[in-house]
Amino acid sequence: AQTVTQSQPEMSVQEAETVTLSCTYDTSESDYYLFWYKQPPSRQMILVIRQEAYKQQNATENRFSVNFQKAAKSFSLKISDSQLGDAAMYFCAYRSPYGGATNKLIFGTGTLLAVQP
Amino acid sequence: DAGITQSPRYKITETGRQVTLMCHQTWSHSYMFWYRQDLGHGLRLIYYSAAADITDKGEVPDGYVVSRSKTENFPLTLESATRSQTSVYFCASSELRGGITEAFFGQGTRLTVV
Repeated sequence: AQTVTQSQPEMSVQEAETVTLSCTYDTSESDYYLFWYKQPPSRQMILVIRQEAYKQQNATENRFSVNFQKAAKSFSLKISDSQLGDAAMYFCAYRSPYGGATNKLIFGTGTLLAVQP
Repeated sequence: DAGITQSPRYKITETGRQVTLMCHQTWSHSYMFWYRQDLGHGLRLIYYSAAADITDKGEVPDGYVVSRSKTENFPLTLESATRSQTSVYFCASSELRGGITEAFFGQGTRLTVV
């Protein structure tokens, strides 16, 4: 069974600085999807960025980028030029590309990010 | 409005009562999911459904019942609520075709069992 581990329960960053959130996962599959979701105090789950395992190029969305290391099974999220609105819980998630019973998101335990003004 | 909606947003119930959380999506996604969120555990899958009338257990299904008679609805019922079921519940939907790979989440329901 696949597992996702986020080893940093809490992180803090100064406004305008860069922070990296760590995520590792375990799987025997060669193809899969990885995601970072943001959960602000409103509780809404917001997709930040996604990565297909077959793509070697790291995904980027504006100030958010990932460092995807397939062999190491690592998927870290880098937030550049941090803003106060980035303060939230961040979840790393894994998903198989196949249908049926495997088509579900597996989440890590989350990292709570605080942004200091 | 298009999207996925959960109701109610907040619910307080007593131990032993039956309570149903509603979930409705307008995209006609095949897959729907129920997760519970607890501090230190992240989101854990309770039940999921691959299509109407097809449901299966997730990681923590005990004490919960689901049904999916229509594609757009996926209610979650706590048959006899216990305090350990106090949590935030999220419904989600997704599809695997058309390039859609991520799940879309409802706003969550905060359930308190007293």
